[in-house]
Amino acid sequence: AQSVTQLDSQVPVFEEAPVELRCNYSSSVSVYLFWYVQYPNQGLQLLLKYLSGSTLVESINGFEAEFNKSQTSFHLRKPSVHISDTAEYFCAVTALILTGGGNKLTFGTGTQLKVEL
Amino acid sequence: GAGVSQSPSNKVTEKGKDVELRCDPISGHTALYWYRQSLGQGLEFLIYFQGNSAPDKSGLPSDRFSAERTGGSVSTLTIQRTQQEDSAVYLCASSLEGSGRTRYEQYFGPGTRLTVT
Repeated sequence: AQSVTQLDSQVPVFEEAPVELRCNYSSSVSVYLFWYVQYPNQGLQLLLKYLSGSTLVESINGFEAEFNKSQTSFHLRKPSVHISDTAEYFCAVTALILTGGGNKLTFGTGTQLKVEL
Repeated sequence: GAGVSQSPSNKVTEKGKDVELRCDPISGHTALYWYRQSLGQGLEFLIYFQGNSAPDKSGLPSDRFSAERTGGSVSTLTIQRTQQEDSAVYLCASSLEGSGRTRYEQYFGPGTRLTVT
């Protein structure tokens, strides 16, 4: 089984400041890692994913995340946030091995990013 | 193309009534997932359908919950004798299963907000 921990439930930050949203996971098997974003009153959107290869992955809107196997972490970062980044961010994992449930995602509890002027 | 759609967007029901929630996946996506998002439990997996295989129901919280998928496309999640703890947002996701990395990308619908009074 897998579990995901997002220690920060809320992160307030001023516009144009850098931000890091923390994600740690636990799993007995190898996993793929994801960050999803949920804007107010909308569904989940895939922000970025780590499947293999380079441990640093980037999204089209300036976010990046780095997979650290030794620390079992997949923290999300952005060097300069914008008001429009205000949303809830969910870290998720799925096991590489299909053991039933297909590629069901196990989510963290989410981090509310609030960008202020 | 069209994304995952869900209906209704909001549903208010009285305790003890049955409800049906509908999901239309992206055309051609063979895998379909139901998740529940609630304040107390966060985002949790409910059930998974893949092609003509038997569904994985391991995430259903009780036997009051059931789901079916007709013709490998539309899915209906049914909750019988609703309870107040069933109040949540029910999310549907679909993916293009098979070989390759796209199998790990789940596309979510906007959700159905269920309120049990």
